[in-house]
Amino acid sequence: AQSVTQLGSHVSVSEGALVLLRCNYSSSVPPYLFWYVQYPNQGLQLLLKYTTGATLVKGINGFEAEFKKSETSFHLTKPSAHMSDAAEYFCAVSANTGGFKTIFGAGTRLFVKA
Amino acid sequence: DSGVTQTPKHLITATGQRVTLRCSPRSGDLSVYWYQQSLDQGLQFLIQYYNGEERAKGNILERFSAQQFPDLHSELNLSSLELGDSALYFCASSAAFGSGELFFGEGSRLTVL
Repeated sequence: AQSVTQLGSHVSVSEGALVLLRCNYSSSVPPYLFWYVQYPNQGLQLLLKYTTGATLVKGINGFEAEFKKSETSFHLTKPSAHMSDAAEYFCAVSANTGGFKTIFGAGTRLFVKA
Repeated sequence: DSGVTQTPKHLITATGQRVTLRCSPRSGDLSVYWYQQSLDQGLQFLIQYYNGEERAKGNILERFSAQQFPDLHSELNLSSLELGDSALYFCASSAAFGSGELFFGEGSRLTVL
């Protein structure tokens, strides 16, 4: 079975500061890992994904994440926050266990202060 | 626009009633997923269909059922509704059977009074 833990339900940063959103996962088989973003009154959009290969994954809007198997982590970072980054971010894990259940974390709401 | 269409966008009904939520996936996508999003439970996986067949099941209540039709659209049926069923229900689709990107609709907001 898979599970995802996102550390911190709310994160607040100043505009221009580093964004770090933490995600730890659990999976009994090699996982696929994702970060999604949700803006108010919208569905989720994919930021980036890790399937196999390079462990540093670059996504849209300047975000990136690093898959660390030894730490079972997939933290999301962005060097410089922008006001438009304010949203809710979800880490997700998926694995082939006969079907593909993509399991989402509880989400982290990012606030960006001017 | 993700290409996934959900109807209705908003629905208000009473306890004990039955509703049907509809989802049209992106053109060509064979997989459809249903999720329930609420403040206390977060985003919960309900069920996955691939090309008309159920392939994965999550925390879906027995009062809920779903199906995927030959034209690949899907319906989620919620019956004997309770106050706690009030939530945002998302449909997502993907081209691949698994491991791929999910494209989400804008959701159907269900309010049970």
